[in-house]
Amino acid sequence: SQQGEEDPQALSIQEGENATMNCSYKTSINNLQWYRQNSGRGLVHLILIRSNEREKHSGRLRVTLDTSKKSSSLLITASRAADTASYFCATDSLRYGNNRLAFGKGNQVVVIP
Amino acid sequence: NAGVTQTPKFQVLKTGQSMTLQCAQDMNHEYMSWYRQDPGMGLRLIHYSVGAGITDQGEVPNGYNVSRSTTEDFPLRLLSAAPSQTSVYFCASSYWGQGAFVTEAFFGQGTRLTVV
Repeated sequence: SQQGEEDPQALSIQEGENATMNCSYKTSINNLQWYRQNSGRGLVHLILIRSNEREKHSGRLRVTLDTSKKSSSLLITASRAADTASYFCATDSLRYGNNRLAFGKGNQVVVIP
Repeated sequence: NAGVTQTPKFQVLKTGQSMTLQCAQDMNHEYMSWYRQDPGMGLRLIHYSVGAGITDQGEVPNGYNVSRSTTEDFPLRLLSAAPSQTSVYFCASSYWGQGAFVTEAFFGQGTRLTVV
């Protein structure tokens, strides 16, 4: 089953606006990661937040993690047309004694110039 | 560095044929994995490996085999292709973080497979 579930599934915003995406998960994690995928390309890592961290910044990205609610959010500030992509959250899992990196279904973000 | 290299980029197979998708990384990562991506389904884990000689099943392993004879290579074999295996396949590699957990994954560019 999918570990991460993003919400909302699709988002359309004007350039310069902020975009917020949420991700929920079900089991205990070591870390949560966010990835970007441009159309027809592989995924690119954006940011990793550990389970003992609550907030992390990287450039125009801000990620929060609430382990009590098993949820995370990704905020992209001052969006640009180049931010148009699909965004995925991913969590590791300690199922069956090994770690797996499980991805959600993704959020499609369209930034209108 | 080349990163993660997948070949081929595109492939068309007939039902029942077998083939191997190649994946190689030059970052000396212990952890490698294969995903398939289907519309509306996100990425689903097929198989993964935590080191040479060690492989394990992911979420959707049926119809696929893997082996890990070296740190660099992690080929995915389709035993008898079926139309349901039409998908985009991604290989990824990661290093282990402190405390042994999966960290940043580096992805290949994908293989678009069509089974007719």
